[in-house]
Parts: sequence; C-alpha cells; structure tokens
Amino acid sequence: KQEVTQIPAALSVPEGENLVLNCSFTDSAIYNLQWFRQDPGKGLTSLLLIQSSQREQTSGRLNASLDKSSGRSTLYIAASQPGDSATYLCAVGGGRDDKVIFGPGTSLSVIP
Amino acid sequence: KAGVTQTPRYLIKTRGQQVTLSCSPISGHRSVSWYQQTPGQGLQFLFEYFSETQRNKGNFPGRFSGRQFSNSRSEMNVSTLELGDSALYLCASRTSGGSDTQYFGPGTRLTVL
Repeated sequence: KQEVTQIPAALSVPEGENLVLNCSFTDSAIYNLQWFRQDPGKGLTSLLLIQSSQREQTSGRLNASLDKSSGRSTLYIAASQPGDSATYLCAVGGGRDDKVIFGPGTSLSVIP
Repeated sequence: KAGVTQTPRYLIKTRGQQVTLSCSPISGHRSVSWYQQTPGQGLQFLFEYFSETQRNKGNFPGRFSGRQFSNSRSEMNVSTLELGDSALYLCASRTSGGSDTQYFGPGTRLTVL
C-alpha cells in the first residue's frame, strides 16, 4: 500500500528566502508525481508534474525533482514571496494499486 | 477552456439525510476522481470513473457511491449522512491515464449537523 509523507508539516520563512519541501513515498512503481498548492478553503492548483522517466521539472521560481529509487521528491522555491503562503501537497500517481495518493501537506507561511 | 466545476459549492445537511454532489470535468477529459478532505485525515481518494465505469476505489464505506454519465459529468452520493462526513469534497479530471495531470475543481463544502 502506497504511503506518502511530507516534511516539514509547517514552515515559516522570511520573504526572499529559498526553501525546500520534501515528499517521500514507499512504492516506487509510480507513473508520476505531482505538486499542488492549496489556499485555505479552496481547491488544488497543479504546480508541477514529473513523469516517472523524468528527474526534474521547472516552472518559474519552482523546481521539483524526483528520485524514484529512493522514493523521494523535493520542491524548491526560490526567492519566496508572501503570495507563496499556502499548503503544498505532493501526490503520487500509479503504484501497485494504480491510485493517486496524497501526502498530508506542508503549510508554508512567508513573512513580509 | 473552462475548468472543472462543482456544484453546489456549499451544503448543510442533517444526520441521516443523503446528498448528491456534481462535477463537470474539463471538456475532453474522460476520467473523474473524487476526494474527501478533512483536517484530521487529509486528502483521501474516494473513487475514479472513466468512460462511465468505476476504475478504482478507495477505502470508504458503501454509503459513498458515484456514477459517471456519457458526457463525463460525474455525481457522488452519500447516504445516511454522519457527522464525520463533514468535509471538503474535491473532484479532479484528467484526460485518461495515470500519467496525466489532474485538474481540480473548487470543491463542495459539506457540513453535517
């Protein structure tokens, strides 16, 4: 059974700092890994999707990496801004039960 | 292209009632998945429908059911509501397979009193 964890659970940083969010999964037989952002009470916004054959994806100030063999992904946010404050979730797709499983999320607060 | 839409956005029900939530996927998307999000359990997978057939199912009791229509729109039904069913219900659509990006709707906030 696929299990996804995220560290840290919460993070508070001053504006302008670079930061790394971590995601770990137990079953490496995945199709892809996706990072989402969720603002309070809202739906999820897709940030980056990494296919199982890829090592990383970049979009603007965001860079996500994937190491399938070790069951890890990181989301790097450069030059953080207050508008980046949200909960960040990773989700792995596929696995032996072919489901999309979400991690518990990291709550990020960027202080002006 | 319009995004994923969910109706209603907010619902208040009482214990024992039943509720139906609706999700319209992005045009051309044939897969619709449903998730329940609560503060204690996080985002949990309910089920996925593809071409009107349930393709996958999470670990929820039989009170939770769904269906998909020929136009890919999907409904989710919860019968005999319990207080613990209070949650944000999210629907996501994707083109077809497991390697595709999922796009989420804004969710339906269900409160059970």
